[in-house]
Amino acid sequence: QQQVKQSPQSLIVQKGGIPIINCAYENTAFDYFPWYQQFPGKGPALLIAIRPDVSEKKEGRFTISFNKSAKQFSLHIMDSQPGDSATYFCAASIGNFGNEKLTFGTGTRLTIIP
Amino acid sequence: ETGVTQTPRHLVMGMTNKKSLKCEQHLGHNAMYWYKQSAKKPLELMFVYSLEERVENNSVPSRFSPECPNSSHLFLHLHTLQPEDSALYLCASSPGRNTEAFFGQGTRLTVV
Repeated sequence: QQQVKQSPQSLIVQKGGIPIINCAYENTAFDYFPWYQQFPGKGPALLIAIRPDVSEKKEGRFTISFNKSAKQFSLHIMDSQPGDSATYFCAASIGNFGNEKLTFGTGTRLTIIP
Repeated sequence: ETGVTQTPRHLVMGMTNKKSLKCEQHLGHNAMYWYKQSAKKPLELMFVYSLEERVENNSVPSRFSPECPNSSHLFLHLHTLQPEDSALYLCASSPGRNTEAFFGQGTRLTVV
């Protein structure tokens, strides 16, 4: 079964800390791993994505770490700010099949406290 | 804003009602999607339209009926829903099926 397992379900971190959200997958055919950020009352928005040919990708304060052998990937937020408080979803797909084949995790509600 | 607009934002309906959700995008995108978002569950893809043709239907009950009259508009017609259908319904669009999808703000549906 194509599934992406995400943890933790919720996370509270002090401002300036580094929250880490983890995802694990089973299907080795997955080759595209995006993260989405969703603020209350809004739809999800693509935050950052990685393909398995690299082990890390950084965009600003957001970093994806990818471990192909362990079939795991994680999102790190450096110097976290209260404005980063949102729900974060990981996802995975087989790239050629596009958006309709995205498998999402269950989400992590992140709260950054001042 | 993403350029994908959904109406209404909130909807409460009885199990015998018929209602429709509307999604609109003027981004020139060729693909449009309906997703269901329930608490503590992964986002569930319901329908995909590409160039106004339905290309994906993920075993969705027939009480949900999509319509794509043109490339800018997508509807989800609802009838005889069940309380377990209460959720946030998200519309998204993308330039092509392999490109980034942009989501609307969703319609919060409550079935009573």
